[in-house]
Amino acid sequence: GENVEQHPSTLSVQEGDSAVIKCTYSDSASNYFPWYKQELGKRPQLIIDIRSNVGEKKDQRIAVTLNKTAKHFSLHITETQPEDSAVYFCAASRESGGSYIPTFGRGTSLIVHP
Amino acid sequence: NAGVMQNPRHLVRRRGQEARLRCSPMKGHSHVYWYRQLPEEGLKFMVYLQKENIIDESGMPKERFSAEFPKEGPSILRIQQVVRGDSAAYFCASSRLAGSTYEQYFGPGTRLTVT
Repeated sequence: GENVEQHPSTLSVQEGDSAVIKCTYSDSASNYFPWYKQELGKRPQLIIDIRSNVGEKKDQRIAVTLNKTAKHFSLHITETQPEDSAVYFCAASRESGGSYIPTFGRGTSLIVHP
Repeated sequence: NAGVMQNPRHLVRRRGQEARLRCSPMKGHSHVYWYRQLPEEGLKFMVYLQKENIIDESGMPKERFSAEFPKEGPSILRIQQVVRGDSAAYFCASSRLAGSTYEQYFGPGTRLTVT
């Protein structure tokens, strides 16, 4: 089955700095890669996603890059703000029954210091 | 437009009892997914259902766990004869038919504690 490794497990930055979270996956059949943000005690929420036919996608301060050959993808957050503090999960998804089933990484706890 | 609803939000069960977790998908969503989240860990996929059908149960433990999504009413995740290791947060998510978006919308979760 799919195996997703996510690093680092904890990331501490100063407000205004950039933050980068990296993930690798093992199954070449995975072709959809969402990123979720989970604040303490809250539900996970999708922040950005990328399909395997795209190498990079950007949405304001958030960008995701994908290298299918190397099987790794990364989340980049620029100009971090304290409200970006949360746990971020990457996922590599495979097709199943008309939808996509994600395998999640273990998460990165991002702390943004004011 | 109400989001994904889960109840109860917190559930305490003694070892050996049954736990029933409910999930009502967002309006217009026909796909339901269940995940388990252990403390300090990511989400683990358990099962994917459409109305009256289990589509993918590759993440479900072989024993004691079952799920259904009936024609009417919420999706149910049932855990029989709970053990301490079942203590976790259980999230369900829903999505529309594939095509326009693959986004899964998560519910607030049910935190199960087995004493």
